[in-house]
Amino acid sequence: DAGVTQSPTHLIKTRGQQVTLRCSPKSGHDTVSWYQQALGQGPQFIFQYYEEEERQRGNFPDRFSGHQFPNYSSELNVNALLLGDSALYLCASSLESGDSYNEQFFGPGTRLTVL
Amino acid sequence: SQQGEEDPQALSIQEGENATMNCSYKTSINNLQWYRQNSGRGLVHLILIRSNEREKHSGRLRVTLDTSKKSSSLLITASRAADTASYFCVPTDSWGKLQFGAGTQVVVTP
Repeated sequence: DAGVTQSPTHLIKTRGQQVTLRCSPKSGHDTVSWYQQALGQGPQFIFQYYEEEERQRGNFPDRFSGHQFPNYSSELNVNALLLGDSALYLCASSLESGDSYNEQFFGPGTRLTVL
Repeated sequence: SQQGEEDPQALSIQEGENATMNCSYKTSINNLQWYRQNSGRGLVHLILIRSNEREKHSGRLRVTLDTSKKSSSLLITASRAADTASYFCVPTDSWGKLQFGAGTQVVVTP
C-alpha cells in the first residue's frame, strides 16, 4: 500500500519564476493538505483540498494556489517566486470521516530552493 | 486552530535515558497530537490524546494531558539513537489544518 508520494524531490528555481509541486495521496484518502516548512521551523499550513475544492486556507498570499484532481491527487503552484519561498513543502493526505479528527499522513516533501 | 509551544527547544541525552518534553497551548481543544520528524522517515504521527483522556501509552511513549493547565508532556523511555528527531505537539480544536510550533529537537547519543 503506497503512502503519500511527492514529486519532484528537489527543485531549484530563480526569483520570479513559477513552480508546480505534485502530490499523490495515500490509497483510499480523499483530502490533501499542503504545508510549508522553513529551515528550523515547524510546518505551516498553506491550504487543504477536498472534493476538488479549497476547503481551508492558511495565511499565505494568492501567489500560492492549488488544485485537486478527480483521482484526489493535488498540485501546489507558486507564482512569482521569492527567496523566502525556499522551504520544504509537505503534502499530507487524510480520509474525510465527518469526525473532528482525521489523521494526516505526510509525504517526504519537496525541497524548493529559490536563487 | 492554534499551535502548541514545545519546551525545551533542544534536548540532548544518552541512549537508555528517558526524554521528557512539554507542550503548552492557549485555548480549549478536542485532542492533542504528537508528531516526530527526522531525515530518515519524514514527519510521522506518533500518538493522539483526546481532551477527556489524561494519559495514553504507545510502546515506549507516554503522553499526558492536563486540560486545566493547557499542557501536555511526551515521555520517551529507554531512548535509542533512532529517537533522534524533532518532536511537535499539535493541539486541535477542529478538523482540518494542523498548526505546528517550532518543536523540540532531541539528540540521542550512543
